[in-house]
Amino acid sequence: LAKTTQPISMDSYEGQEVNITCSHNNIATNDYITWYQQFPSQGPRFIIQGYKTKVTNEVASLFIPADRKSSTLSLPRVSLSDTAVYYCLVGEGNDYKLSFGAGTTVTVRA
Amino acid sequence: GAVVSQHPSRVICKSGTSVKIECRSLDFQATTMFWYRQFPKQSLMLMATSNEGSKATYEQGVEKDKFLINHASLTLSTLTVTSAHPEDSSFYICSAREAGGSGNTIYFGEGSWLTVV
Repeated sequence: LAKTTQPISMDSYEGQEVNITCSHNNIATNDYITWYQQFPSQGPRFIIQGYKTKVTNEVASLFIPADRKSSTLSLPRVSLSDTAVYYCLVGEGNDYKLSFGAGTTVTVRA
Repeated sequence: GAVVSQHPSRVICKSGTSVKIECRSLDFQATTMFWYRQFPKQSLMLMATSNEGSKATYEQGVEKDKFLINHASLTLSTLTVTSAHPEDSSFYICSAREAGGSGNTIYFGEGSWLTVV
């Protein structure tokens, strides 16, 4: 399984942009990169997924450089409700078994 | 998006008894479901992978006779914690992979809190 490395925690303030970088040096050719958000006592919620370059949806952007050895989740204009743990995961093709790393605890302050 | 539902959301059982947690995919068929457990302030730990109609594949260190997993249909997987003990108290989460979807179509349930007293 491709191992991922993320910062343990990040602090931010309301209205700021938060960028979380994940390293996945051993990513395989057919792996996708997926980010999940988890609030306490809830299951992880899908945020965004990408393979290469840039992906944007209504809540976030995902930037993936050409070598795909890292990715950056960008949360624009965060609010207090964005305080959560964010996980970066890398799949393994068709046998997509998700293994979670420690995740990044993002704390948004007023 | 697709919905995965777990039941019960919270359960308390006595030590030595068994408890069953259900995981249902509500609007899609799931060929593969995954079971995780999560202790407070820790990450999710994959316990097992279940494929519809076949035996589950357990991760190293997970007792298959203690955590019974059944995936009898394309929309339902169950996790039974047998002879539960207080150390089994945890947050259990399932996820499901949509049949026919690409390998990256995974949806998570809301989780189930198990407390063994």
